[in-house]
Amino acid sequence: DTGVSQDPRHKITKRGQNVTFRCDPISEHNRLYWYRQTLGQGPEFLTYFQNEAQLEKSRLLSDRFSAERPKGSFSTLEIQRTEQGDSAMYLCASSLIGQSLRNEQFFGPGTRLTVL
Amino acid sequence: SQQGEEDPQALSIQEGENATMNCSYKTSINNLQWYRQNSGRGLVHLILIRSNEREKHSGRLRVTLDTSKKSSSLLITASRAADTASYFCATVVRMDSSYKLIFGSGTRLLVRP
Repeated sequence: DTGVSQDPRHKITKRGQNVTFRCDPISEHNRLYWYRQTLGQGPEFLTYFQNEAQLEKSRLLSDRFSAERPKGSFSTLEIQRTEQGDSAMYLCASSLIGQSLRNEQFFGPGTRLTVL
Repeated sequence: SQQGEEDPQALSIQEGENATMNCSYKTSINNLQWYRQNSGRGLVHLILIRSNEREKHSGRLRVTLDTSKKSSSLLITASRAADTASYFCATVVRMDSSYKLIFGSGTRLLVRP
């Protein structure tokens, strides 16, 4: 257990529905990252927050995706009008400024999304 | 998109044998990290090697880095059944205000008891 938690762990939804995932990083970590991992592949970067500011977004993050970190603590990732191609594991990670040379990121257990 | 490839994609060995996994990457790096992922779980950081280092050890793990060939290898010695997992290399790419990890496609290791 790295100290990063994600909820829910599994989500099954029908195509066209909206889903929201939550990530609680390690409490003193001011950086938070979202990644997506499809079956048999490594994680791919989606977006990054420093405190409450979203500073980087990948091209993978289409208009149907939105992420927030309103108080600089927990973060939510929402997918609107889900498509079957959104089925993946969504991973959250956090890190601490001052460890930038190491950039070790601590990952949560992930939320597995299945879109039927 | 993935930074590079890992080789082999899958590896099956007997407990007690050594396991070697290779990773190639495309761009210049600040450092390279190896992560482990048990089936259906999150990733756990194993070891980091800086771009000016050539070899690093941590317990039964040995990592090498060849920046001229843009490649790294992870060696697990005296493997155990509990080492069964997927192993990913990740290169650190600078963003404006932080760094992001670019992962390879991973090697799935099976250690048979």
